[in-house]
Amino acid sequence: DAGITQSPRYKITETGRQVTLMCHQTWSHSYMFWYRQDLGHGLRLIYYSAAADITDKGEVPDGYVVSRSKTENFPLTLESATRSQTSVYFCAGQPGTSGNTGELFFGEGSRLTVL
Amino acid sequence: QKEVEQNSGPLSVPEGAIASLNCTYSDRVSQSFFWYRQYSGKSPELIMSIYSNGDKEDGRFTAQLNKASQYVSLLIRDSQPSDSATYLCAARLPDYKLSFGAGTTVTVRA
Repeated sequence: DAGITQSPRYKITETGRQVTLMCHQTWSHSYMFWYRQDLGHGLRLIYYSAAADITDKGEVPDGYVVSRSKTENFPLTLESATRSQTSVYFCAGQPGTSGNTGELFFGEGSRLTVL
Repeated sequence: QKEVEQNSGPLSVPEGAIASLNCTYSDRVSQSFFWYRQYSGKSPELIMSIYSNGDKEDGRFTAQLNKASQYVSLLIRDSQPSDSATYLCAARLPDYKLSFGAGTTVTVRA
């Protein structure tokens, strides 16, 4: 059990709607990450957070917003969903506080379809 | 150019054979490298990490790192059907972000 819970697991929405994907962790991970996974692209980093109230952009941040008011929650919001945001989204955490070691534990993923 | 490139595969090997997966990276400053395994429809899980030049063995898995050639590989010895999965190579970049390759899908034929 990696202590990362994502919800919802599956979501269908329409273009232009706001969608929030939730990520909750129970292992006191300091670093948390949001990735999207698309065929042919592998995992691409959207946003990450080193601690509560500290977030930074990854490789593909456009169209996404994150917040981390509490250490255990790291929600990802699509402010106005587009078809290109159809993807599988993974939240990941890194145990401990000794810096970003790269050894990540992933949640089960949220499969989002934008019609 | 992507920061991490993997041989695209897919790779099909008979049961009991060695599966060899390759990965190259573009940033010479990268110091930490990882192999994640992802079963179909599941999330990635870390199986190997390597930080120094040379080989690192863990059971049937051996990771190899050559920083001069900017090359990382994963060998799976005595391949089993349960090894059938997509293997993702990752490198930790200087800004501490983790960059993943597109993955290599391995199928072990019984």
